[in-house]
Amino acid sequence: SQQGEEDPQALSIQEGENATMNCSYKTSINNLQWYRQNSGRGLVHLILIRSNEREKHSGRLRVTLDTSKKSSSLLITASRAADTASYFCATGEFSGGYNKLIFGAGTRLAVHP
Amino acid sequence: EAQVTQNPRYLITVTGKKLTVTCSQNMNHEYMSWYRQDPGLGLRQIYYSMNVEVTDKGDVPEGYKVSRKEKRNFPLILESPSPNQTSLYFCASSPIREVPNEQFFGPGTRLTVL
Repeated sequence: SQQGEEDPQALSIQEGENATMNCSYKTSINNLQWYRQNSGRGLVHLILIRSNEREKHSGRLRVTLDTSKKSSSLLITASRAADTASYFCATGEFSGGYNKLIFGAGTRLAVHP
Repeated sequence: EAQVTQNPRYLITVTGKKLTVTCSQNMNHEYMSWYRQDPGLGLRQIYYSMNVEVTDKGDVPEGYKVSRKEKRNFPLILESPSPNQTSLYFCASSPIREVPNEQFFGPGTRLTVL
């Protein structure tokens, strides 16, 4: 089952620009997490926002959560070529009798020097 | 260094030949999980374990087995691999302070079944 759906599927920007990725989901969640994956490598956790939080910051990352719209956004400010990666949202929910993380299909971000 | 390790990293095998992908973590995490990643489908959970000797099915468990005899190890077993199990596999672990919590991922195992 796929809960989070990222938008856009792909994003191409110039270094120094901001990158915004969106995630929509369908059911109630405990938290929402964002992960980053460099090509073919393991995912790296970026940030976790709980269902009772609206905004969270970590360095150049800003995450918002709107539970009424069942959506979240990840903003990367002043992007760098090293930010080129795929970004996944993952919704934490209680489903099928246990707590689980459900990943979306991801947004591919390309930052050009 | 805190990490999740997987072996092998790459594997090409033939249909029906049993294989095991090992996963080990050195962070004393209770929770461990296996995912497969296929293009356009994100990550799908295969099996998970809440602690030693406690395992359960995820969303796509067919064709896979797991065991959790020790806290640090969580091997994934394919008794009779088939071509539709060609995929990129990730092991992950997390502490159970908040569920679902931040997960730490291994580097991945790229499996090709001919």
